[in-house]
Amino acid sequence: NAGVMQNPRHLVRRRGQEARLRCSPMKGHSHVYWYRQLPEEGLKFMVYLQKENIIDESGMPKERFSAEFPKEGPSILRIQQVVRGDSAAYFCASSPFQGNLGDTQYFGPGTRLTVL
Amino acid sequence: KNEVEQSPQNLTAQEGEFITINCSYSVGISALHWLQQHPGGGIVSLFMLSSGKKKHGRLIATINIQEKHSSLHITASHPRDSAVYICAVYEDTGNQFYFGTGTSLTVIP
Repeated sequence: NAGVMQNPRHLVRRRGQEARLRCSPMKGHSHVYWYRQLPEEGLKFMVYLQKENIIDESGMPKERFSAEFPKEGPSILRIQQVVRGDSAAYFCASSPFQGNLGDTQYFGPGTRLTVL
Repeated sequence: KNEVEQSPQNLTAQEGEFITINCSYSVGISALHWLQQHPGGGIVSLFMLSSGKKKHGRLIATINIQEKHSSLHITASHPRDSAVYICAVYEDTGNQFYFGTGTSLTVIP
């Protein structure tokens, strides 16, 4: 029973390029959360998704960032025209559908994005 | 102002000591999580609490909803417990997580 999988584990991009981060939740989980951890800072919530639906994106920067969780396939966090300030660790977590907010979350290993 | 405050920020203990990490929050919550982040960066969810107390091995987590406070205890600490421990709360009026800045624990053999 595989845990939450994220890929790539490390991603290097030049300023202005696009970054795509993937998250495959645990089997049977239909809720996905994305978090960002900037260097020397704590975790920050970005977005909460269910299949084909964004529930809360209040933590997402207004521009250049988008997220999706399609019916089939992994959740994608997309960052367009990356800047150096986007360099961070991006964590994904999933939880099972129980209709209860704040369920136990299972974290992926993270994707470390470095923008040159 | 941070919605979640943790103390202490840094903690060094001798192997075998009993450790307590505190978390206070200012929002109404439906759940509180304790997370462990290893030196390599990986995050493990230790507990999710909405009331009372939970125990798993040498770890105990308690929450007092009225006082908006939670504690994480580690009994008989071990060097492998060295990590950053993060408190996170799930606000009950919105689908929003708030995180503490973490407590960095070092257990010395």
